[in-house]
Amino acid sequence: AQKVTQAQTEISVVEKEDVTLDCVYETRDTTYYLFWYKQPPSGELVFLIRRNSFDEQNEISGRYSWNFQKSTSSFNFTITASQVVDSAVYFCALSEAGNTDKLIFGTGTRLQVFP
Amino acid sequence: GAVVSQHPSWVICKSGTSVKIECRSLDFQATTMFWYRQFPKQSLMLMATSNEGSKATYEQGVEKDKFLINHASLTLSTLTVTSAHPEDSSFYICSARDHRLAVAYEQYFGPGTRLTVT
Repeated sequence: AQKVTQAQTEISVVEKEDVTLDCVYETRDTTYYLFWYKQPPSGELVFLIRRNSFDEQNEISGRYSWNFQKSTSSFNFTITASQVVDSAVYFCALSEAGNTDKLIFGTGTRLQVFP
Repeated sequence: GAVVSQHPSWVICKSGTSVKIECRSLDFQATTMFWYRQFPKQSLMLMATSNEGSKATYEQGVEKDKFLINHASLTLSTLTVTSAHPEDSSFYICSARDHRLAVAYEQYFGPGTRLTVT
């Protein structure tokens, strides 16, 4: 069965600190896709990244970076030099090649960045 | 980028009434739209998958007679919460898939509709 676990419910940091949000997934498919979304207080989901299961290269986009490790079924997200505007709920999600229509979301991690 | 809108952004209704929420893809055609529900401080749960011109597919535990979905065109899907009750109060989010994409993994999300049933 497919499942996404975000063990960290809430994280609080002070501005300029680095923070890593953990995501562990379960799937029986060999082909799947992993996502990260940001949900600010306004509620709208903001797409951050999509990664397919055959691409284990880490990715960096500005202050954001992602570490995909199939060996540990993890897809962790790091924000470097956090800012107050990073405060939001972050969701990790999974879809399988056999049913790409269905996005399985983790429970989310609420990040609060204090000035 | 692909834009999905929802209307209304928030609605308050009395218990027993019905509420319709619209989801529109503004700059692309969506053969498939999805409806999610998110309770406070919880994750998004897929309610149903809506395909243009056919009946929606509901997830287990979602009452199809209570949550009526209509996907009459390639740019519009509607969710009607019938005989709403306070426990239906939630944040409803739709997403849409661009049928031109060869790989069906991209979903574009709407801004959500907050429903409060009094």
